[in-house]
Amino acid sequence: EPEVTQTPSHQVTQMGQEVILRCVPISNHLYFYWYRQILGQKVEFLVSFYNNEISEKSEIFDDQFSVERPDGSNFTLKIRSTKLEDSAMYFCASSAQIMNTEAFFGQGTRLTVV
Amino acid sequence: AQSVTQPDIHITVSEGASLELRCNYSYGATPYLFWYVQSPGQGLQLLLKYFSGDTLVQGIKGFEAEFKRSQSSFNLRKPSVHWSDAAEYFCAVFDQTGANNLFFGTGTRLTVIP
Repeated sequence: EPEVTQTPSHQVTQMGQEVILRCVPISNHLYFYWYRQILGQKVEFLVSFYNNEISEKSEIFDDQFSVERPDGSNFTLKIRSTKLEDSAMYFCASSAQIMNTEAFFGQGTRLTVV
Repeated sequence: AQSVTQPDIHITVSEGASLELRCNYSYGATPYLFWYVQSPGQGLQLLLKYFSGDTLVQGIKGFEAEFKRSQSSFNLRKPSVHWSDAAEYFCAVFDQTGANNLFFGTGTRLTVIP
């Protein structure tokens, strides 16, 4: 069964460092998303990506964040200068069409900023 | 503004007992509603979804949910819980009006005791 894969599963980084979280969406999907979940809080939308550009982004997704689809398979989230409050579980998702069809989520990357 | 409320942070049930997880939403139009499950170390897996039509929807793993517009609710049910159902459950609503993303509740952690 096709699945969304994320690497690494856990990343520890020092405050101020750049991190790149990687995702491989399902191959024939067209819409890609990043969500995050701070421990004990709800899953929050960060950004959606379609046709090689950002289609929507939330208030959380400020200038410190960027996304890229560098090749035909990977979808990355970069945090330029990490802050302690960026510590969270980050989920990548993809869907074949707009979200009114099933969105498939990866297993998440736990980011810990120290 | 869209929002999803899951009033129960943690529920404990005995194996074989019935289960109901509550979800209330706030949304102006007819919502697209989802339930996701997250097992430890796993990603978010779609259990079921409601877009229109029959208000009682069946999902995977023996789960069902009922959409009640008058109560703004979309409660998840299972007649007989199995130990493997222990997980975190998230209710979500899809914003059709343009934001094109999912709004999640804070989740309900289910513990199953023998």
